[in-house]
Amino acid sequence: ETGVTQSPTHLIKTRGQQVTLRCSSQSGHNTVSWYQQALGQGPQFIFQYYREEENGRGNFPPRFSGLQFPNYSSELNVNALELDDSALYLCASSLGQGSSYNEQFFGPGTRLTVL
Amino acid sequence: AQTVTQSQPEMSVQEAETVTLSCTYDTSESDYYLFWYKQPPSRQMILVIRQEAYKQQNATENRFSVNFQKAAKSFSLKISDSQLGDAAMYFCASSRAGGSNYKLTFGKGTLLTVNP
Repeated sequence: ETGVTQSPTHLIKTRGQQVTLRCSSQSGHNTVSWYQQALGQGPQFIFQYYREEENGRGNFPPRFSGLQFPNYSSELNVNALELDDSALYLCASSLGQGSSYNEQFFGPGTRLTVL
Repeated sequence: AQTVTQSQPEMSVQEAETVTLSCTYDTSESDYYLFWYKQPPSRQMILVIRQEAYKQQNATENRFSVNFQKAAKSFSLKISDSQLGDAAMYFCASSRAGGSNYKLTFGKGTLLTVNP
């Protein structure tokens, strides 16, 4: 069974640029959640995708957007990068809805640095 | 809305000793889950233990156990017989149970050092 993978591992961008981060969910999982973890902080929920539809969003501006594909992999796009976007971006996949508990399995993260 | 507070930025323990990490939470949900996650320096977040709020019995996973005090909204993690591999950042988290959008709400974390 393949776990959650993310690419790239590290990324350096400059202010104003756009970035795309990728996540492959664990086999059989149809739900993907994205989190932003600033240095020294706990992860903050960005949004969640379930069967290719956005299913909840945290307190992040519209320049944070996402996609989920038919194979349930996902992308996180950030436009007009700001210095404060520098963080570790975590992707987590889970089995989906319909049960009371869905354990989220995390990927290793993408470290984004904005200069 | 849910909030999670970890008041201990750092803790240290001697190898083979016991340590307790504290967490308090607040939630408007009638049913919810509480979690402890471990994030080693390699960054991959790993679930350590979870507690279903409607269960009064405290969860236990090998050397890890929790003290869940629902009325006090307290959820502490006890690590017994600490090992060097337990050194990591530990996050307390909560999520609603059932329905959709079961996002995790995390605390700021406690950095645990294990001394040989």
